[in-house]
Amino acid sequence: KAGVTQTPRYLIKTRGQQVTLSCSPISGHRSVSWYQQTPGQGLQFLFEYFSETQRNKGNFPGRFSGRQFSNSRSEMNVSTLELGDSALYLCASSWNLGVEQFFGPGTRLTVL
Amino acid sequence: EDQVTQSPEALRLQEGESSSLNCSYTVSGLRGLFWYRQDPGKGPEFLFTLYSAGEEKEKERLKATLTKKESFLHITAPKPEDSATYLCAVQADNNAGNMLTFGGGTRLMVKP
Repeated sequence: KAGVTQTPRYLIKTRGQQVTLSCSPISGHRSVSWYQQTPGQGLQFLFEYFSETQRNKGNFPGRFSGRQFSNSRSEMNVSTLELGDSALYLCASSWNLGVEQFFGPGTRLTVL
Repeated sequence: EDQVTQSPEALRLQEGESSSLNCSYTVSGLRGLFWYRQDPGKGPEFLFTLYSAGEEKEKERLKATLTKKESFLHITAPKPEDSATYLCAVQADNNAGNMLTFGGGTRLMVKP
């Protein structure tokens, strides 16, 4: 069974630009969560989607948004990039509530 | 607010030297506690889920235990390939979705 895939793996952008990251969950998983990982703050929850509906949102500004498609694939968008948005963005999928989530390899975003 | 604290932040062991990693948590009601392993530049890899105090799970040289306030990850006779960052996360039962709150991690280094 294929794991969670994320594209692109690496991205370099400049301040003020916007970026879209993509996540394909494990086949059959309908829950997709996004996390931001930085050396200073660790892993922080961004948002979660289940059957195209956002179920939870973390404490991030409105510049961070996401969506989920009918095939469970998800995208997240960051507008007006800031230097502090440089991080590893991780996507995780799960088949149900309260069970293990499986993470993808992440997208390394660098903002210059 | 849910909180997870892991200790120590870093641990250096000789090959074969057993030890334990600690994860202390504060949550209104625990739905599940999760352990992950993360290698540099990769996404977290799922290890265990624990649901209730007294529960234990084992996998090769790793054993996870849970009490009402903390969890331990015991590593027996570690090998250099066990070197990684170990992450603990909790999911609260008042959470409508799969949001995880992570601790800062313990960076384990096993010397041959």
